Amino acid sequence: DTGVSQDPRHKITKRGQNVTFRCDPISEHNRLYWYRQTLGQGPEFLTYFQNEAQLEKSRLLSDRFSAERPKGSFSTLEIQRTEQGDSAMYLCASSRQGIQTNEQFFGPGTRLTVL
Amino acid sequence: DAKTTQPNSMESNEEEPVHLPCNHSTISGTDYIHWYRQLPSQGPEYVIHGLTSNVNNRMASLAIAEDRKSSTLILHRATLRDAAVYYCILRDQYNFNKFYFGSGTKLNVKP
Repeated sequence: DTGVSQDPRHKITKRGQNVTFRCDPISEHNRLYWYRQTLGQGPEFLTYFQNEAQLEKSRLLSDRFSAERPKGSFSTLEIQRTEQGDSAMYLCASSRQGIQTNEQFFGPGTRLTVL
Repeated sequence: DAKTTQPNSMESNEEEPVHLPCNHSTISGTDYIHWYRQLPSQGPEYVIHGLTSNVNNRMASLAIAEDRKSSTLILHRATLRDAAVYYCILRDQYNFNKFYFGSGTKLNVKP
């Protein structure tokens, strides 16, 4: 069973450095989502792709954040000039178009710590 | 963004039923009610969803109030593996790509 995978699972970086995370969705899923989760809070929506097109971005996604899904398969989320406030769990999810539930399947997340 | 209100935490005994409430007084006619749960150190997972009628699946039941301003997730026999944070989410039928999770209810199951 190949669910959603994310890499790395943990990342520690110093303030000001750039980081990049990767998400591999379930293979037949054409929709991909990124969320951010801080301690004690539920996930917050960041952005959404349908195939390779980025169709929606949250106001939370500042200009230091960029996400891509170049061939409509895996996706990357890059944070430039990291700040301590970026420390969080970054979750990726995928879903299949046309399914009434729009059930989103989540990966295990990448935990980012900015020192 | 449609808002939901849930208790911060609840406690249950193993093998007993659990009723997790959710208030969503600003729900619109096109909003579906979804429940997800997040086990420790994992991403959220789908539990159940509904629109107007009560729903049952292998994991749980969803009871929706007649005016749709509240709903209740029912776990019929809680197990230790059900200890998780449970999120009640409203999803717009026509803009269904964004989920707003809120803070959820942390369920503790006692042996």
